[in-house]
This record gives sequence, structure tokens and C-alpha cells, in this order.
Amino acid sequence: LAKTTQPISMDSYEGQEVNITCSHNNIATNDYITWYQQFPSQGPRFIIQGYKTKVTNEVASLFIPADRKSSTLSLPRVSLSDTAVYYCLVGYNNAGNMLTFGGGTRLMVKP
Amino acid sequence: NAGVMQNPRHLVRRRGQEARLRCSPMKGHSHVYWYRQLPEEGLKFMVYLQKENIIDESGMPKERFSAEFPKEGPSILRIQQVVRGDSAAYFCASSPRVVANYGYTFGSGTRLTVV
Repeated sequence: LAKTTQPISMDSYEGQEVNITCSHNNIATNDYITWYQQFPSQGPRFIIQGYKTKVTNEVASLFIPADRKSSTLSLPRVSLSDTAVYYCLVGYNNAGNMLTFGGGTRLMVKP
Repeated sequence: NAGVMQNPRHLVRRRGQEARLRCSPMKGHSHVYWYRQLPEEGLKFMVYLQKENIIDESGMPKERFSAEFPKEGPSILRIQQVVRGDSAAYFCASSPRVVANYGYTFGSGTRLTVV
């Protein structure tokens, strides 16, 4: 499984765009990049998943360069409710492949 | 559609007692995963089950911990003779046979406190 590295914490203010970058130098050809969000006292929640280039949904965008050795989760115009831990995961896109969580990035959004 | 249901949400046990944590996967999901999260840490994989089968228990301690996913009913994570170090949040996730593009669905967890 590819190891991931992401910042331990980030601070932002309401209304700003937040970009969280994850490094995964050993990503394999079959691996997908998946981001989860975890609020205090709750289980992780799937945010977005991608393989290459750019993926966008109603919550976030995911940018993946051509070499796929890193990825950037972009949260547009954050609010206080976006304060959470964000996990970057890399692995096969098949059932049975247990997710390997790193330490995640603690995002604190301030008023 | 109901999500992944875990109960109880909070469980307090005295050292030496048994703890039973339950997880009902999402409708249509046949794969269940248990994770443990210590305070201020990431989630650690414990065990992966399909109906009536343990597929991978490489993350589960060899002693005192067991898991099952019977043909009928929820998946159960059982911790015998609990110790203070077992205090943690235990999360269950489920997935369908083919995960496709939407990942795994997690429950809200059971917070176990051993006193």
C-alpha cells in the first residue's frame, strides 16, 4: 500500500479556499486516491475520489498531476462547519481492500 | 436508506468485563470492516469480514478480541477481559461487493471506556 504524507494541521478563515496536499510517491498503477473527512465523535465520511487530472463534486475538487505522486484536495469558501480532520488514502478500488489511514490533516476554520 | 448502524454509541466497562459492539451494514452491503481509533490518532484496521467468514484479521490482537458476521444479524466485535488500553472509538464500515467510485460507508462508532 502506498504511504501518504500530508500536513498535520492547517488554519484558515471563513470564506477562504483551502488546499490540502498529499504526497504519495509510491502510488501504484491501479491505485485510486480517496479523501475522507472526519468530524469529532463521528466516523469518517467519503468526500471525493479520483485517478488522474481533476475531479469535482458538490463538496470539493481533487487535483492530480500527471505523475500522480501527489494530490490536492480543494475546499472552496470554507465555513466553520468544515473544521475536521481530512484523510488522504491511496489504494485499490476494490471491495476487501482495507483502508489505511494516516494521521490526517486537522483543519481549523476560524471566524 | 439507513446508513451503517452501530450500537451502543457509548459503552462503559470495568476492567475484566466483556464488551460487545454491534454493527449493521448498509442494506445491500456484504463486506464489513472494523477499525479502532485511539484519541488524537488515525483509524487502524482491525478485521474484514463477509457473511459468515473472516477474510482478514491481521489488524486484530490475537488475544481477547474476536469478530463475527453471522448469516442473520449484525456483525459483532467482542472484547473479553477488557483493559484500560482498550478504551477507544471503534468504527465499523461496510461496502458492497464492488466499491466503484463511492468508497466505504462508516458508522458513527462506539466509544468504549474501560474504568
